[in-house]
Amino acid sequence: TQLLEQSPQFLSIQEGENLTVYCNSSSVFSSLQWYRQEPGEGPVLLVTVVTGGEVKKLKRLTFQFGDARKDSSLHITAAQPGDTGLYLCAGAIGGSYIPTFGRGTSLIVHP
Amino acid sequence: KAGVTQTPRYLIKTRGQQVTLSCSPISGHRSVSWYQQTPGQGLQFLFEYFSETQRNKGNFPGRFSGRQFSNSRSEMNVSTLELGDSALYLCASSLDGTGDEKLFFGSGTQLSVL
Repeated sequence: TQLLEQSPQFLSIQEGENLTVYCNSSSVFSSLQWYRQEPGEGPVLLVTVVTGGEVKKLKRLTFQFGDARKDSSLHITAAQPGDTGLYLCAGAIGGSYIPTFGRGTSLIVHP
Repeated sequence: KAGVTQTPRYLIKTRGQQVTLSCSPISGHRSVSWYQQTPGQGLQFLFEYFSETQRNKGNFPGRFSGRQFSNSRSEMNVSTLELGDSALYLCASSLDGTGDEKLFFGSGTQLSVL
């Protein structure tokens, strides 16, 4: 059983569309991180959310941390081909040194 | 500032062989962690080293081992390779390795076991 469940697993959309991907858990996380991984590369951190209910914006990307700190969402407005990649959420429980990763949402944005 | 460097980039081995992968962290980072990434399982934690000591270990068999040197560079070794070991092996470094800390990943070593 995955500690962090991400949905959808795959997403294929046209340029200009909006989308939301989700990261859910039954566990409480002290923080959640979102990464984007492009083919042939390692994941790159996009954002860390720490406070329940927190919303962070990074240009066209909006990240939200659930009030209970068990879930998070990533919303992309007007997707562009450059947004193509694997979006991973990761979180550490309590004082753990080890972040757990979800399996990711693979996004393809067609021009 | 140079990023995390992993070598080699690609490896092809046959079953039963062993392999050593190398990771050079960002200068000043003392924590190095290793992950195995496969399409079916996603990123699975292998182990984490801090100041030359293995501090945390994931649920992988003893064939997977690692070490860290005094300059924080790390190596991981897989002995008696199996077909299922084919994966992208990622190394990540951070300052102190706390769970909330930002991880900087290398580009990975793509291992194919034939």
